[in-house]
Amino acid sequence: GQQLNQSPQSMFIQEGEDVSMNCTSSSIFNTWLWYKQDPGEGPVLLIALYKAGELTSNGRLTAQFGITRKDSFLNISASIPSDVGIYFCAGRGSNYKLTFGKGTLLTVNP
Amino acid sequence: DVKVTQSSRYLVKRTGEKVFLECVQDMDHENMFWYRQDPGLGLRLIYFSYDVKMKEKGDIPEGYSVSREKKERFSLILESASTNQTSMYLCASSPQGAGANVLTFGAGSRLTVL
Repeated sequence: GQQLNQSPQSMFIQEGEDVSMNCTSSSIFNTWLWYKQDPGEGPVLLIALYKAGELTSNGRLTAQFGITRKDSFLNISASIPSDVGIYFCAGRGSNYKLTFGKGTLLTVNP
Repeated sequence: DVKVTQSSRYLVKRTGEKVFLECVQDMDHENMFWYRQDPGLGLRLIYFSYDVKMKEKGDIPEGYSVSREKKERFSLILESASTNQTSMYLCASSPQGAGANVLTFGAGSRLTVL
């Protein structure tokens, strides 16, 4: 089956720092999605990417669909305490199945 | 505001009990999903449904069943709960077509099996 490697598993940063996380796949994906899960809640969609090379921003968040179609990254600029949570990547391949990464736990120290 | 509502946020059950987890969405979505979330393992798909009375196994269906009698409601059933089913369960829905992979999640149901 399709494998997604998401890294890092966890990050501890100071408020104001920039954050970068990424996902790599063992196979080509046609869609990449990034979700954020606040503590005690379900994941919420942040950014959806549909084309190789696509770079999309949502406020302080920027995500890119890798040219090889096997990777994606998410950057958060100037982190704030409410950025705390678990960030998940998800990808859809040719079998139309959505596969999730294991998540990156982000902690922001004020 | 559109919603996926999971009826129970926290449940505590005993080994061998039958457990029902209910999920309702108000977005008229065709697709509905049940995932379980465990630390270090991320989200794993248990079952999904793309229409009323239709169901498909996900990656980890063993020990679970589902029911979709109405479009808006998707139930996850643990016929005989076991301790290794202690987990966070997430329901999600999505429309058919171009938005099919954009899932809207509920807040989750945390199940503890003693």
